[in-house]
Amino acid sequence: KAGVTQTPRYLIKTRGQQVTLSCSPISGHRSVSWYQQTPGQGLQFLFEYFSETQRNKGNFPGRFSGRQFSNSRSEMNVSTLELGDSALYLCASSLNFNEQFFGPGTRLTVL
Amino acid sequence: LAKTTQPISMDSYEGQEVNITCSHNNIATNDYITWYQQFPSQGPRFIIQGYKTKVTNEVASLFIPADRKSSTLSLPRVSLSDTAVYYCLVGEPPRDLTDYKLSFGAGTTVTVRA
Repeated sequence: KAGVTQTPRYLIKTRGQQVTLSCSPISGHRSVSWYQQTPGQGLQFLFEYFSETQRNKGNFPGRFSGRQFSNSRSEMNVSTLELGDSALYLCASSLNFNEQFFGPGTRLTVL
Repeated sequence: LAKTTQPISMDSYEGQEVNITCSHNNIATNDYITWYQQFPSQGPRFIIQGYKTKVTNEVASLFIPADRKSSTLSLPRVSLSDTAVYYCLVGEPPRDLTDYKLSFGAGTTVTVRA
């Protein structure tokens, strides 16, 4: 079974731009979560989607948004990029609470 | 979510057993304890999960004392490839799948030397 895939793997943007990241979960997994990882803040939960509905949200500004499609694929959007948004963005899919499967992440650099 | 405390770093040598202890004094009755492993530039990977006593799988063991205020991840006979960051998470399985998120602490950086 294929793992979680994320595209693109690397991205460079400038301040003020917006970016869209994509995540394809493991087949059959309906829950998709997004995390931001930085050296200073570690791994932080952004939001989680299940059956196209956002069920939970972390403490991030409204510039961070997401959505999930009927095939469980998910996208995350960050508008008006700031330097501090440079991070590794991780997507994870899950079938149940016991285990989340993470993708390789998208490394975003904001210049 | 219960707060967790783990050592920032640990050093070991190949072939040794590594034990990482996580403190979670405010663990709630329904909370489970889960450990993840993360290599550089990769997403975390589930290692093991438990509720009480001892859990063992093909890669690790998890020891949880009766009071559940701490837990110890045990990695037997580590190799260089076990060098990674290990995260301890404590949380309650979601009711009706309505509250689902993982809260990661700073993790423990384990360095295995030859």
